[in-house]
This record gives sequence, structure tokens and C-alpha cells, in this order.
Amino acid sequence: GQQVQQSPTSLVLQEGENAELQCNFSTSLNSMQWFYQRPGGSLISVFYNPSGTKQSGRLTSTTVIKERRSSLHISSSQITDSGTYLCAMERDMGYKLTFGTGTSLLVDP
Amino acid sequence: ETAVFQTPNYHVTQVGNEVSFNCKQTLGHDTMYWYKQDSKKLLKIMFSYNNKQLIVNETVPRRFSPQSSDKAHLNLRIKSVEPEDSAVYLCASSSDWGEQYFGPGTRLTVL
Repeated sequence: GQQVQQSPTSLVLQEGENAELQCNFSTSLNSMQWFYQRPGGSLISVFYNPSGTKQSGRLTSTTVIKERRSSLHISSSQITDSGTYLCAMERDMGYKLTFGTGTSLLVDP
Repeated sequence: ETAVFQTPNYHVTQVGNEVSFNCKQTLGHDTMYWYKQDSKKLLKIMFSYNNKQLIVNETVPRRFSPQSSDKAHLNLRIKSVEPEDSAVYLCASSSDWGEQYFGPGTRLTVL
């Protein structure tokens, strides 16, 4: 089964609205990472978050390792936030990331 | 500039040909990776190398072979491409098992 489950699959917002993206893991993990990808674009690391809460501008990530979940909060969304957000986990220094299927975000004007 | 660099950006070839992709990182990392992103945008690990040593090989067909000359370079060769090899190939690097940084990807189209 899918080890990394993301929700929602897709999301449409009006500019200025907030968004909450979820990531759940079916196995224990050592760390996790959030990425942003534009269509045809490269993966940009948004947060590397072994555990706890991190904030960068309008983005906040909260990871609870024991509960095997992570969330990405986007406040006051902008059109330029549109794209795909991917979460990925690493298990026990496994030298690989296992990715979720992503959340496709569209922010309309 | 410190980053992960990949060449070429795009490559179109025919079934049965051999292709080779290059990846170089200037971040001083010890570990490098190859991932494949398919048409549904799902990303899967193919290989990972730590200090030029193969660490992970995820049931990749034998026609794929990674090549590492030093810890800053990890190339990928596909000996005889097949249609299902059409995808975006992404190279990444990290310091041991830490945060991973990705290159821009190489888009392969097999006709």
C-alpha cells in the first residue's frame, strides 16, 4: 500500500485564502521533507522537518513524528503559490525518500 | 554557485538506443540520488550513492546503470531504452541522510 498519503489531491483557492495540506505516513519515519514543484519545474525544498514546527514567510510546517503526520499551512495564498506540493519521508537513515502523490494547488485571482 | 546541475535538459531518442545523463553537485555532499518521475508525477527512488558506493538499488531494470567517478558526480546510463523509460529523471544530493536538494531534471522521450 501507499506509505505516504497526501490530502487533498487537489485544491482550488481564491487569492488570499488559507490552505492546509496533510501528509500521513503508514510506517515509522526518521525525517520528512516538503517540496514545491511548478509544472515542468524542478523540486524546490520548502521544509526539512524531522519534527516540530517551522515557519518561512507565509508557510508553516508542523510534523509530529510519533503520530506519523505532517501538515503544511499556507496563509494568505497568492497566485504564484499555484503548483504541486509533495511530501516525502525517510526511514531510519535509509538513504532514500519515499514520496506522496502530491497536492495540486490552484490559486485563482 | 552551489547547487545540483543536470545535463541535458531534454533528450528525445528511439527505442533501443543508449542514453547517458550527467549530474554534478557543488554542495560538498556525500550522498547522491537518482529518482524517476513518471507521467502521473509520481516520484520513485532508483539509486543512491554514498561516497561513491552504491547504497540503494530499487529493483531497477538492468539496462539502467549508475556511474560515480567521485562523490560530486553521479551519471545514469540506459543501455537500450524502452518506451516506458519516458519520464523525468531527477538527481539529488544530501549530506548523509539529511535534507535532499534536487537538480532541474532531464526529460527523456522515447519514440
